[in-house]
Amino acid sequence: GAGVSQTPSNKVTEKGKYVELRCDPISGHTALYWYRQSLGQGPEFLIYFQGTGAADDSGLPNDRFFAVRPEGSVSTLKIQRTERGDSAVYLCASSPGTAQETQYFGPGTRLLVL
Amino acid sequence: AQTVTQSQPEMSVQEAETVTLSCTYDTSENNYYLFWYKQPPSRQMILVIRQEAYKQQNATENRFSVNFQKAAKSFSLKISDSQLGDTAMYFCAFMTQGGSEKLVFGKGTKLTVNP
Repeated sequence: GAGVSQTPSNKVTEKGKYVELRCDPISGHTALYWYRQSLGQGPEFLIYFQGTGAADDSGLPNDRFFAVRPEGSVSTLKIQRTERGDSAVYLCASSPGTAQETQYFGPGTRLLVL
Repeated sequence: AQTVTQSQPEMSVQEAETVTLSCTYDTSENNYYLFWYKQPPSRQMILVIRQEAYKQQNATENRFSVNFQKAAKSFSLKISDSQLGDTAMYFCAFMTQGGSEKLVFGKGTKLTVNP
């Protein structure tokens, strides 16, 4: 595709529910990243995939957060038992996969937990 | 751990004038990369400019240029001939060379270009 796409654009859920956020990277990009951006803050790193495997998941805040990329392309960020503090914009980025390449971002998913 | 500080929460500039956004960072690494990203209201982060720390020459991209001072750990962005479309949040970001590929961002500067 032309760029990184994320679905849904917006998601409203209730406290305690389970949500899935999807990211479609640029075709051919082997590296994929998830970031979380709270209101008035810069993005914070969550997890980085190289191919199908998570190369660095040190940014995941707790075990309610999990991400997969089973075929090395599309990735899904999964949040269990959502809390109001999970409300944020979740950004996905991809890069060609060679070292220190520029990351290209999607438009994000705005998650609101009521 | 690396940190990035943007000390100007908001700035404004008149159309066609020049503005400089500040960024400082803290790291013990010698090899790294620095970036400026623009985030308009559409939320999509767009790369403005990138600098490799091993390069002494400051990066430029059309109206955008940086002043990279490695010893001072400073990385400011200069926007010349400001345009209304430059109105956005601007984020400074850091990436270690050879380590995790994660970007570390500052809190951002909200830039408004006035007609």
